Amino acid sequence: AQKITQTQPGMFVQEKEAVTLDCTYDTSDQSYGLFWYKQPSSGEMIFLIYQGSYDEQNATEGRYSLNFQKARKSANLVISASQLGDSAMYFCAMRETLSNFGNEKLTFGTGTRLTIIP
Amino acid sequence: KAGVTQTPRYLIKTRGQQVTLSCSPISGHRSVSWYQQTPGQGLQFLFEYFSETQRNKGNFPGRFSGRQFSNSRSEMNVSTLELGDSALYLCASSPWGFGYEQYFGPGTRLTVT
Repeated sequence: AQKITQTQPGMFVQEKEAVTLDCTYDTSDQSYGLFWYKQPSSGEMIFLIYQGSYDEQNATEGRYSLNFQKARKSANLVISASQLGDSAMYFCAMRETLSNFGNEKLTFGTGTRLTIIP
Repeated sequence: KAGVTQTPRYLIKTRGQQVTLSCSPISGHRSVSWYQQTPGQGLQFLFEYFSETQRNKGNFPGRFSGRQFSNSRSEMNVSTLELGDSALYLCASSPWGFGYEQYFGPGTRLTVT
């Protein structure tokens, strides 16, 4: 089973509109972390936002917010007032502890390619 | 503050050879993580080093190894290269660990022929 699922391979959004990128996750850990990263065509990964499993408030960073629904195991990224520079691949990732190996692991989803239309 | 740097940016190797990639983290960052990105497998975590010790490890064979020096610079080595090792290798640094905000380098594009 996929640990991180991003069901939208690609999305086209009009400039200045809000956009929601979906992410669902699967873990039996009580303590875990969820991340969103942006990868422009240049290839460099850019950290956007982080949500810890015990955080009660949804994380926000400027135009980015994370809609965290723990019971549904979803961590959707919301970008408000989209801009042309938001066109990129977006990856959802989860940090969890591998109890069998006693270490932590970071797992990425397959990504969503977002294209902002002028 | 200078960002994360990776050298070389591009590399072409022959199957069976070995390769060493280098990553210089942001000054003051003690954690360096390595990732492999391919079209087929996506982004996969290789390992994390913190203060010269490998702290976390992904599910890669022993041909993939790394080390971290006292100045936090890290190297990743891949021995006996296979065609499937062709990928973009990304490293990231963080003050505390890969489980928190990380800063990525531009990557090294490795092509194995």
